[in-house]
Amino acid sequence: GAVVSQHPSWVICKSGTSVKIECRSLDFQATTMFWYRQFPKQSLMLMATSNEGSKATYEQGVEKDKFLINHASLTLSTLTVTSAHPEDSSFYICSAIYPLAGFYEQYFGPGTRLTVT
Amino acid sequence: AQTVTQSQPEMSVQEAETVTLSCTYDTSESDYYLFWYKQPPSRQMILVIRQEAYKQQNATENRFSVNFQKAAKSFSLKISDSQLGDAAMYFCGYSNSGYALNFGKGTSLLVTP
Repeated sequence: GAVVSQHPSWVICKSGTSVKIECRSLDFQATTMFWYRQFPKQSLMLMATSNEGSKATYEQGVEKDKFLINHASLTLSTLTVTSAHPEDSSFYICSAIYPLAGFYEQYFGPGTRLTVT
Repeated sequence: AQTVTQSQPEMSVQEAETVTLSCTYDTSESDYYLFWYKQPPSRQMILVIRQEAYKQQNATENRFSVNFQKAAKSFSLKISDSQLGDAAMYFCGYSNSGYALNFGKGTSLLVTP
């Protein structure tokens, strides 16, 4: 089956610094990837839709200048959290869609835990 | 906007018994997809089952089956012969094909020996 990886799996950074999270589709090309955020004991909330070769589409309330998304190739999307603050500490999950016989199956990465100190 | 509601924050079932998790949704679309995902402590999202709205037949995957009531906008998950490994958070999700998922708040399932 299709595999999506994320790197790193866990990152700790200091307040005010930036951190980059990578999302890769390992064995298929993904024209569209999604970024979700999950706070402890809560559900996944969509942050943005990342389309290869074009600007990401952000959900209402998500600061596009703070959460920079780049989908430069068909297998890689990156999320950069700029000037991170403790309230940005969360679990970030990406997913990629894969066409399957007329349906777009969505495959999730294992997630990245971000802790901002 | 589509909304997904899971009204059971926690459920408990004994091993080998059957449990049903509830989910309702709201949409004005006629063609869409519904999902149940499992999230174990590793936090990896695992697809349990998918239902296409245009199909009247309820989806089944081994011990997992759904009761899809399109008119009532209800989509419940039945887990038969529950196993200890079924313990996890379960999220009900809605999407149009190729679009992101809208998730409910989740139901934490505890399986007791």
